[in-house]
Amino acid sequence: ELKVEQNPLFLSMQEGKNYTIYCNYSTTSDRLYWYRQDPGKSLESLFVLLSNGAVKQEGRLMASLDTKARLSTLHITAAVHDLSATYFCAVDDRDDKIIFGKGTRLHILP
Amino acid sequence: NAGVTQTPKFQVLKTGQSMTLQCAQDMNHEYMSWYRQDPGMGLRLIHYSVGAGITDQGEVPNGYNVSRSTTEDFPLRLLSAAPSQTSVYFCASSSTGTGGYTFGSGTRLTVV
Repeated sequence: ELKVEQNPLFLSMQEGKNYTIYCNYSTTSDRLYWYRQDPGKSLESLFVLLSNGAVKQEGRLMASLDTKARLSTLHITAAVHDLSATYFCAVDDRDDKIIFGKGTRLHILP
Repeated sequence: NAGVTQTPKFQVLKTGQSMTLQCAQDMNHEYMSWYRQDPGMGLRLIHYSVGAGITDQGEVPNGYNVSRSTTEDFPLRLLSAAPSQTSVYFCASSSTGTGGYTFGSGTRLTVV
């Protein structure tokens, strides 16, 4: 059974700093997704990573996937307050089930 | 283009009542799923479908039924509501297994 673990679960950081959110998963997969959720809102797709070594970047966010280590990272560069949200990673278990982590609640202080 | 439409947005049920949460998408997506979101638990998969006529169980299927008679619709039925089913429910769809999901706006359900 696929398990998806994110850490940290909560992160408070100052504007201008860099940080990384980690997503580990327990079984073989080469499909990983990152989503953003603002309070009281639905989820928005950020990145789709479909192969080992995949790297995607959008603005101050960069996601990567290492399928051999079963690890994805979401790196935040020079954080700004608008990036405050909850970030989820999700993994396809190869039976078409997409399993989510518990989310990382990111709070960026001005 | 409406995307994924969920109705209702809010619902209060009494214990033991049944109801159906509606989900419709107009993007001709094959994949559809239902998730529930509870504080500190992330999103947990209830049921999913890879095409019309095909459904399967997710992580937490007990107390819920689904059907997929058309590509567009994927309703979620609560058979006999319990307070433990108080949650926010999200429906999502994807064109293939390799695409990210498009989520509906959610249904906030309270069972008293």
